[in-house]
Amino acid sequence: GDSVTQMEGPVTLSEEAFLTINCTYTATGYPSLFWYVQYPGEGLQLLLKATKADDKGSNKGFEATYRKETTSFHLEKGSVQVSDSAVYFCALNSGATNKLIFGTGTLLAVQP
Amino acid sequence: DSGVTQTPKHLITATGQRVTLRCSPRSGDLSVYWYQQSLDQGLQFLIQYYNGEERAKGNILERFSAQQFPDLHSELNLSSLELGDSALYFCASSPSRGKWSQETQYFGPGTRLLVL
Repeated sequence: GDSVTQMEGPVTLSEEAFLTINCTYTATGYPSLFWYVQYPGEGLQLLLKATKADDKGSNKGFEATYRKETTSFHLEKGSVQVSDSAVYFCALNSGATNKLIFGTGTLLAVQP
Repeated sequence: DSGVTQTPKHLITATGQRVTLRCSPRSGDLSVYWYQQSLDQGLQFLIQYYNGEERAKGNILERFSAQQFPDLHSELNLSSLELGDSALYFCASSPSRGKWSQETQYFGPGTRLLVL
């Protein structure tokens, strides 16, 4: 079945460091891919998405490119801030049932 | 703010009891989804309703049920509660108009359930 694999956390970075959180997927067909973010004590917020191969999603300085050849959707940011500390979830929607399938989440801790 | 509201925010109850979680979707959204977030299972899809009808079922226990009302709000009913049901329950919604596979889902703030 469809699945999402994320790198294990926690990821601890200093402010202004470069961030990469790896995400790979297994899916039949051509899924849409998403990154959601969960700040402490809050719900899930959509960070960015991509709906087809080679699409790049971007928001708030974060980017991810839909790579069909490597079945990946890695999240990157050039310079992280303390306020980016949160749990990041990679997810796919293959459309068969329109349900989201999530990775396990990656905790990012940014230190000043 | 996603526009999806959930009540209550927190719920503490005892084993064997029954609770109801409520969700109001974004204005105009026809689909409502329920997800469970727990430490051991992660984020798991439970069930989807579209315009009042059940559309898809995931890993939902038989002790759990849901419905979507004519005003499109939804309720998730959890009965015969066990300690392991303690989790964060999210509701999400999406427009589901026209060709609507692989839509973006917008999440509410969640209801944190603690079963003692």
